[in-house]
Amino acid sequence: AQKITQTQPGMFVQEKEAVTLDCTYDTSDQSYGLFWYKQPSSGEMIFLIYQGSYDEQNATEGRYSLNFQKARKSANLVISASQLGDSAMYFCAMREFNSGGSNYKLTFGKGTLLTVNP
Amino acid sequence: DARVTQTPRHKVTEMGQEVTMRCQPILGHNTVFWYRQTMMQGLELLAYFRNRAPLDDSGMPKDRFSAEMPDATLATLKIQPSEPRDSAVYFCASAQGASGELFFGEGSRLTVL
Repeated sequence: AQKITQTQPGMFVQEKEAVTLDCTYDTSDQSYGLFWYKQPSSGEMIFLIYQGSYDEQNATEGRYSLNFQKARKSANLVISASQLGDSAMYFCAMREFNSGGSNYKLTFGKGTLLTVNP
Repeated sequence: DARVTQTPRHKVTEMGQEVTMRCQPILGHNTVFWYRQTMMQGLELLAYFRNRAPLDDSGMPKDRFSAEMPDATLATLKIQPSEPRDSAVYFCASAQGASGELFFGEGSRLTVL
């Protein structure tokens, strides 16, 4: 089974509008972390935001917020006031902390390509 | 400005040749990862090290790939012999501890003809 599922291969949004990128995850661990990374066309991987499984508040970083719904195992990324520079591939990733030797690696979803239209 | 440094940035080689990619993690980071990115498979973890010891290389084709950390400032990924299906972008990333974010290098784009 996929550990991380991003069901939207591509998304379009108008500049200055908000957009939600979906991410669902699969784990039996109680302790885990969820990450979002941005990959612009230049190719680098840029860390955006982190949510720990025990964090009670949704994580926020500037225009990025993570809509964490633990019971539904979803960790959607919300980008407010989209900018042209937000056009990029976005990856959701998970690290499981109780999986024996696997507690360091990050497992990535397939990504969502976001295009911001002027 | 601390960053993960990867060399080479681009490599074009012929099938059967040996390819070595190098990574300098951020100073003080004790966990180093190698990922491969392709259009079809996305980001796949090949191997990772903690305190220079290999923890997991189950994602790596053992017959042709090898990963090492000769010292804390250098990680290497070697492919011998290379094949066209190895064409991909190879990312190195480092992290401090088990819960920190991964900092990625700019990647090494490999093309095997």
